[in-house]
Amino acid sequence: DIQMTQSPSTLSASVGDRVTITCRASQSTSSWLAWYQHKPGKAPKLLIYKASSLESGVPSRFSGSGSGTEFTLTISSLQPDDFATYYCQQYKNYSRLTFGGGTKVEIK
Amino acid sequence: QVHLVESGGGVVQPGGSLRLSCAASAFTFSSYGMHWVRQAPGKGLEWVAFIRYDGSIKYYADFVKGRFTISRDDSKNTLYLQMNSLRAEDTAVYYCAKEKGVSFFDFWGQGTLVTVSS
Repeated sequence: DIQMTQSPSTLSASVGDRVTITCRASQSTSSWLAWYQHKPGKAPKLLIYKASSLESGVPSRFSGSGSGTEFTLTISSLQPDDFATYYCQQYKNYSRLTFGGGTKVEIK
Repeated sequence: QVHLVESGGGVVQPGGSLRLSCAASAFTFSSYGMHWVRQAPGKGLEWVAFIRYDGSIKYYADFVKGRFTISRDDSKNTLYLQMNSLRAEDTAVYYCAKEKGVSFFDFWGQGTLVTVSS
């Protein structure tokens, strides 16, 4: 299986901050990577797919970059609604999908 | 708007069985692959199983292979997960998710809680 490692596991930030989350894969996933936002008790929400494609309806302050084994999710200016846990997911190996361990973005 | 509603969760003893359902609406269910993903208490998301849009291909995570079966009934727009030989470590919120493209998810349900405990 392709292992996905996110860092940091927790991030404390303030409204307006620029936030960057990293996701590393144990082997190349090309650009077959998605990012999700998850809030407690809610359905996860797709933010980014194919490493850098913004899902329809997602604010432009979210962006994704990277390819191969290293990827980043950037929130250009953190908003109150953005405090949540973020997950990366590889789909290069579509018979063995794997998620990163998650990054919780907390209020500083 | 796409709507996915899971049901069937509950408390079950180790070794027991449970069948989860996911009712889909507002999209052509028979045209899309569907997945189950779970989240154990305090843990991250973990992919469980996939079924192709026509039911011809199914994939499972190693930790459920031989115990869980994914299926679909397109006449009812419903996805299922039959869970047998349940273990304490299967305790989790189970989400169904609609596939966009190949094996990532554009819509998820709110989840149903499965608790395996004696």
